[in-house]
Amino acid sequence: DIQMTQSPSSLSASVGDRVTITCRASQSISTYLNWYQQKPGKAPNLLIYATSSLQSGVPSRFSGSGSGTDFTLTISSLQPEDFATYYCQQSYSMSRTFGQGTKVEIK
Amino acid sequence: QVQLQESGPGLVKPSGTLSLTCAVSGGSISSNNWWSWVRQPPGKGLEWIGEIFHSGSTNYNPSLKSRVTISVDKSKNQFSLKLSFMTAADTALYYCARVESFGDYYYMDVWGKGTTVTFSS
Repeated sequence: DIQMTQSPSSLSASVGDRVTITCRASQSISTYLNWYQQKPGKAPNLLIYATSSLQSGVPSRFSGSGSGTDFTLTISSLQPEDFATYYCQQSYSMSRTFGQGTKVEIK
Repeated sequence: QVQLQESGPGLVKPSGTLSLTCAVSGGSISSNNWWSWVRQPPGKGLEWIGEIFHSGSTNYNPSLKSRVTISVDKSKNQFSLKLSFMTAADTALYYCARVESFGDYYYMDVWGKGTTVTFSS
């Protein structure tokens, strides 16, 4: 199994801050990396697929980058509706593992 | 647009088998998509369970593979999850999701609202 490790596990930030979340794979996954946002009591919502492709309807303040084993999700200017938990997920292998999540909280 | 709805019993007894169904509306289960199950224990992160293509091809999480069966019913436009030998560790919110593809890239773009399954002794 490919293990996905996110850092940090949680962070506190203010509206307008630039936020970066990191995801590391236990082996190279090329650019087969997706990002999801989950708000309390809701299903996950796809933000980014294939490392850097923005899903339709997702604001442009979200961006993704990376390749191989190291990836980042960046929120350029944090908005009130962005406080949520974010998960990375690899689709390189047939067993499509998630990271443990990063909770973004209000400072 | 495609919508997914999970259904199934909320309580499962020790060593019992969980059976959940995901009904697909607004689209065909025979489209060029895989269909997936994901679960989330209370207060914890997401765990991928497995996925199925309408042909019947499946991929499973190795840690659950011995207990999991995912099947598709094209006549009812739905797919199902069976998880045997339930324990307390299987208590979770279970989601079904559509897996979209872009070339070799796969991602879950449509999700059901989830259904809670509790292990009941």
